[in-house]
Amino acid sequence: GAVVSQHPSRVICKSGTSVKIECRSLDFQATTMFWYRQFPKKSLMLMATSNEGSKATYEQGVEKDKFLINHASLTLSTLTVTSAHPEDSSFYICSARSGELRYTFGSGTRLTVV
Amino acid sequence: ELKVEQNPLFLSMQEGKNYTIYCNYSTTSDRLYWYRQDPGKSLESLFVLLSNGAVKQEGRLMASLDTKARLSTLHITAAVHDLSATYFCAVDKGTASKLTFGTGTRLQVTL
Repeated sequence: GAVVSQHPSRVICKSGTSVKIECRSLDFQATTMFWYRQFPKKSLMLMATSNEGSKATYEQGVEKDKFLINHASLTLSTLTVTSAHPEDSSFYICSARSGELRYTFGSGTRLTVV
Repeated sequence: ELKVEQNPLFLSMQEGKNYTIYCNYSTTSDRLYWYRQDPGKSLESLFVLLSNGAVKQEGRLMASLDTKARLSTLHITAAVHDLSATYFCAVDKGTASKLTFGTGTRLQVTL
């Protein structure tokens, strides 16, 4: 079945630094990937839709300069949290459409900013 | 704007009992998904429901869809402790669209 690999699974960084999260589709090509953020005991909130070879589409209220998304190939999308602050601490999950009816999710990244 | 609501938000039930989780959505949708999430983990796909009246079953879980009422249900039969998790429904509107998630239902099955 379709597999989406997300790395790292956990990361701790200092305030003011940047962190990059990778999302790879291992056995299929993903022209579109999605990035979600999840706070404890809350639902998934879509941050942006990543399109291969073009600019990402950000949801309302998401700062595009803070959450940089790059989708340079059909199997890789990256999310970079720039100048991280403690309020950016969260669980980030990527997803790819792996078929007409199916979305496959990465294993998630727990980001802690200290 | 598409809104997806679930109830209850939290459900504590005894092993062996039956219960239903409800998922309401605000506008017409092409597909309805159910996912399971264990603490600290990502999402596991359970069901995809495509049309009015669709019913799917896997083990002790059964999902149904009523597109006219904009309602999906996830029925749990004879709950066991292993079913303890958070369950999300989500809807999308076609290949060019995106998933909108429900609020989630945290299920706790007690021995």
